[in-house]
Amino acid sequence: EVQLLESGGALGQPGGSLRLSCAASGFTFSSSDMGWVRQPPGKGLEWVAAISSNGGHIYYGDSVKGRFTISRDNSKNTLYLQINSLRAEDTAIFFCARMMRMAGPGSHYFDYWGQGTPVTVSS
Amino acid sequence: QSVLTQPPSVSGAPGQSVTISCTGSSSNIGAGYDVHWYQQLPGTAPKVLIYRNINRPSGVPDRFSGSKSGTSASLAITGLQAEDESDYYCQSFDSSLTAWVFGGGTKLTVL
Repeated sequence: EVQLLESGGALGQPGGSLRLSCAASGFTFSSSDMGWVRQPPGKGLEWVAAISSNGGHIYYGDSVKGRFTISRDNSKNTLYLQINSLRAEDTAIFFCARMMRMAGPGSHYFDYWGQGTPVTVSS
Repeated sequence: QSVLTQPPSVSGAPGQSVTISCTGSSSNIGAGYDVHWYQQLPGTAPKVLIYRNINRPSGVPDRFSGSKSGTSASLAITGLQAEDESDYYCQSFDSSLTAWVFGGGTKLTVL
């Protein structure tokens, strides 16, 4: 059974940092592209970052470029998201998800999701 | 403002059918990128409902179907049931942004 278990969500201060983790099991993590998607309270889904299976290709949404860093440790089956310079608008549930690629570049969809970890930014 | 446009809400009575539209542009759906659909029940993670425009994962009822044409895609739900009441999101890829993009979401109410 595929499981994605996020952790690290917390109350953070504006300008501060948080590191989210996502422990994966039930599939070959080292062969899977992975991503983070966030959802502010009462709002829709926003893709945040993606990383290829070997970490060689990394992509970010415009709203987080320069502040967020996605990484992975395939030996630990774990995905990470480092969030720096926290802003109030980063308040959201952060989901990690496996990105299944069925065809050419950009054909990914998010086939398995974790339950999410909440990040709240407030002073 | 989402790159993919969905109606904020749709509704229908049990047994009826509804369609949710997802309108993009020449840099995403119109460029040939696949459209995928997700269902998000309150307080839960999204679940993929349709992938690559028309495909249903195992376990998804055939009451759910997807289509794509030009710069738009649609999710059709037939034989509405109370448990279909949920938020629905479309998703694609945008080559101008080099980003995976979601629609703003549509809340389905079963009357």
